[in-house]
Amino acid sequence: AQKVTQAQTEISVVEKEDVTLDCVYETRDTTYYLFWYKQPPSGELVFLIRRNSFDEQNEISGRYSWNFQKSTSSFNFTITASQVVDSAVYFCALINYGQNFVFGPGTRLSVLP
Amino acid sequence: DAMVIQNPRYQVTQFGKPVTLSCSQTLNHNVMYWYQQKSSQAPKLLFHYYDKDFNNEADTPDNFQSRRPNTSFCFLDIRSPGLGDTAMYLCATSRDLDGYTEAFFGQGTRLTVV
Repeated sequence: AQKVTQAQTEISVVEKEDVTLDCVYETRDTTYYLFWYKQPPSGELVFLIRRNSFDEQNEISGRYSWNFQKSTSSFNFTITASQVVDSAVYFCALINYGQNFVFGPGTRLSVLP
Repeated sequence: DAMVIQNPRYQVTQFGKPVTLSCSQTLNHNVMYWYQQKSSQAPKLLFHYYDKDFNNEADTPDNFQSRRPNTSFCFLDIRSPGLGDTAMYLCATSRDLDGYTEAFFGQGTRLTVV
């Protein structure tokens, strides 16, 4: 069975602080994809990143970075120098070939000015 | 420009009164999904279409139905809404079910059953 766990329900930081959102997943498949989505108050889910199970390289995109470690089944997301506009709910998700997305419960991030 | 459009953005309906939510896409994707997201919870898949093939999740209530008359449009019908169906309903599309392409989500319809 597939499962995604995001242990942090809510996080509050002050603007310019760095923050890491944790994601731990479970799957028996060797080929899978991991995603992060952002859900701002407006409601839509915004795609942030996709990573396949064979690519463990970490990735940096501006203030965002992702740390994928298969050994610990984790795919953590770090925001550097957080901004108020980063306030949202962040979902980690897993998908296997031919199957559907399994979302984690989400982490609500509040960045205070 | 929005690629997955949901209408209406907000819908209030009475207990037991049928309601239809609409989703359209300009991406020409094969797969269209409907998710239900209750307050402070993760999106939960209700069903999806791969082209014209309908795939229902095992725990989706019979009260929820869907139609996909063509590639661009997909509808969610709730035949007799209950108070527990109050939620955000998200439509999404993806090119395929290979997992490689991300799903594109609409802005959702916030449904309130009174």
